[in-house]
Amino acid sequence: DIVMTQSPDSLAVSLGERATINCKSSQSVFHNSYSKSCLAWYQQKPGQPPKLLIYWASTRESGVPDRFSGSGSGTDFTLTISSLQAEDVAVYYCHQYYNYPRTFGQGTKLEI
Amino acid sequence: QVQLVQSGAEVKKPGASVKVSCKASGYTFSNYVIHWVRQAPGQRPEWMGWIHAGNGVIQHSQEFQDRVTFTTDSSATTVYMELSSLRSEDTAVFYCARDPPGSGYYDYWGQGTLVTVSS
Repeated sequence: DIVMTQSPDSLAVSLGERATINCKSSQSVFHNSYSKSCLAWYQQKPGQPPKLLIYWASTRESGVPDRFSGSGSGTDFTLTISSLQAEDVAVYYCHQYYNYPRTFGQGTKLEI
Repeated sequence: QVQLVQSGAEVKKPGASVKVSCKASGYTFSNYVIHWVRQAPGQRPEWMGWIHAGNGVIQHSQEFQDRVTFTTDSSATTVYMELSSLRSEDTAVFYCARDPPGSGYYDYWGQGTLVTVSS
């Protein structure tokens, strides 16, 4: 199984400042056929399902504010929130869909 | 608009089974794969498997393979997940999630169904 490890486990950032969350996979999730990394980021608020933010490591889902961006390839990935807003308080998960079983990171709790 | 609406919360005794439904609307049901994900309290999501809503092809996680059944009812645009031999560690929120063709990520999720396993 591909193990997804996020860092840090929790993060406190001031409003308007940058937040950076890292995700490392135990093996490469780069898909040669697609020439893309099979890595997604989700945001989960209490009592809600996860919400898709980023897929293919760096493609922003429609409707997601452009302060959210994803980067990285292979085994190392980053989710960046350029200017933190109050509504961004949540737990963030990375997710690999390169092979089975699909696996998720342990989550990063983002606070103000 | 795309919606996945799941059935309500359940309380079950250890050893029992639970069947959760996921009704889809707002898109062509038969074109998509639906995944099921378990999330225990305070834990990361855990993938259980998927079913193709159009042709019924299934893939299970080895973790759940012996206990989980996925079915689909095209006339009702509904997918079902049945988990048997419930144990306390199955106390969790179960989600269905849509996987766009040729992708693998989940663009829409159901609201979740809390299953509590308690004697």
